[in-house]
Amino acid sequence: AQSVTQPDIHITVSEGASLELRCNYSYGATPYLFWYVQSPGQGLQLLLKYFSGDTLVQGIKGFEAEFKRSQSSFNLRKPSVHWSDAAEYFCAVGTGANNLFFGTGTRLTVIP
Amino acid sequence: NAGVTQTPKFRILKIGQSMTLQCTQDMNHNYMYWYRQDPGMGLKLIYYSVGAGITDKGEVPNGYNVSRSTTEDFPLRLELAAPSQTSVYFCASSYVAGGPDTQYFGPGTRLTVL
Repeated sequence: AQSVTQPDIHITVSEGASLELRCNYSYGATPYLFWYVQSPGQGLQLLLKYFSGDTLVQGIKGFEAEFKRSQSSFNLRKPSVHWSDAAEYFCAVGTGANNLFFGTGTRLTVIP
Repeated sequence: NAGVTQTPKFRILKIGQSMTLQCTQDMNHNYMYWYRQDPGMGLKLIYYSVGAGITDKGEVPNGYNVSRSTTEDFPLRLELAAPSQTSVYFCASSYVAGGPDTQYFGPGTRLTVL
């Protein structure tokens, strides 16, 4: 069965510091992997996705993620965090039926 | 191009009442979805549709019904509201051509059942 684990419930970083959000997945076939961001009171917005090919994918707002099959991971990174990045971040795995299975999310707080 | 729109934004129901959450997309997407998001949790799929007239259950379908008579609309029906259905409901849509594709989400409906 497919599942997604985001081990960090809440992360606090200083503005300008680097960021890494962890995501581990469980899925029997080739995974389709996504990172979404949710600002307070808003719907989810796609940051980036991995289907195949280059394992380092670039997304919007300066985010990137690296797919590591051997570790079943798809960690999200940003070299320098901005105050506007404060939000909830969700990792998801997509199945062949285009159903998404979400992790429980990581809440990011950015301090000045 | 409005994307995915949902109405209402907020609603309070009494136990046993019924209501319909509306969802419309103007991107001509064939797939549409309903999710619920409980506090501190990720989204759980309730129902999805691969096209007009075709719907299927997701992970948590009990207590809900859906229909898809047009490409644009995908309403979610709660027949007998229960406190366990207090949640934020998100509708999403995607265009699928041979594999999973980006889902576009609406702003959500916050439902409270008292």
